[in-house]
Amino acid sequence: SQTIHQWPATLVQPVGSPLSLECTVEGTSNPNLYWYRQAAGRGLQLLFYSVGIGQISSEVPQNLSASRPQDRQFILSSKKLLLSDSGFYLCAWSYGQNTEAFFGQGTRLTVV
Amino acid sequence: GESVGLHLPTLSVQEGDNSIINCAYSNSASDYFIWYKQESGKGPQFIIDIRSNMDKRQGQRVTVLLNKTVKHLSLQIAATQPGDSAVYFCAENKTPGGSYIPTFGRGTSLIVHP
Repeated sequence: SQTIHQWPATLVQPVGSPLSLECTVEGTSNPNLYWYRQAAGRGLQLLFYSVGIGQISSEVPQNLSASRPQDRQFILSSKKLLLSDSGFYLCAWSYGQNTEAFFGQGTRLTVV
Repeated sequence: GESVGLHLPTLSVQEGDNSIINCAYSNSASDYFIWYKQESGKGPQFIIDIRSNMDKRQGQRVTVLLNKTVKHLSLQIAATQPGDSAVYFCAENKTPGGSYIPTFGRGTSLIVHP
């Protein structure tokens, strides 16, 4: 069966520090991969998605970047965090066009 | 912006009642819709989906209705239980640009009172 791993679960980082969140998927190949951010009381905002290795599409211009160095690995990064980067970050995968997405457990990022 | 929106941010019901959560979508070309349940501090989980060639689909205690004419989606939960308390999101799998990406609305918080 397929599983998705996302870490860390919580993170407190100072303003101006770098960020690296990692997500890996097991049990499938060539998945579609997504990074979402969720602010309190809001829906899920799509940040990046990838349909293959090295293929990254950005939905919202901001202080973040994403990379997919391996088929089942998706990394969210920042060189210098801002206070506004605080939020709940979710990685997800799906297979095909009209199928559901499967989410990781999320990372609660607090920038102080 | 969000192409999928919800009418009510909070819904309070008594245990045992039926719950109805509504959702409006804006992309008339969307052909696949999903309801997710998100418990506090966790990632969303799939509940039920429906394709645009259907207007109703039933699962265990849940029913999704799709009205393409008015671009409206609803989730009905029968005999609501305290464990159903969570935030519910509807999502459509197509952006206005035509990409197949799960696009979420704001969410409805369901509170079940014992």
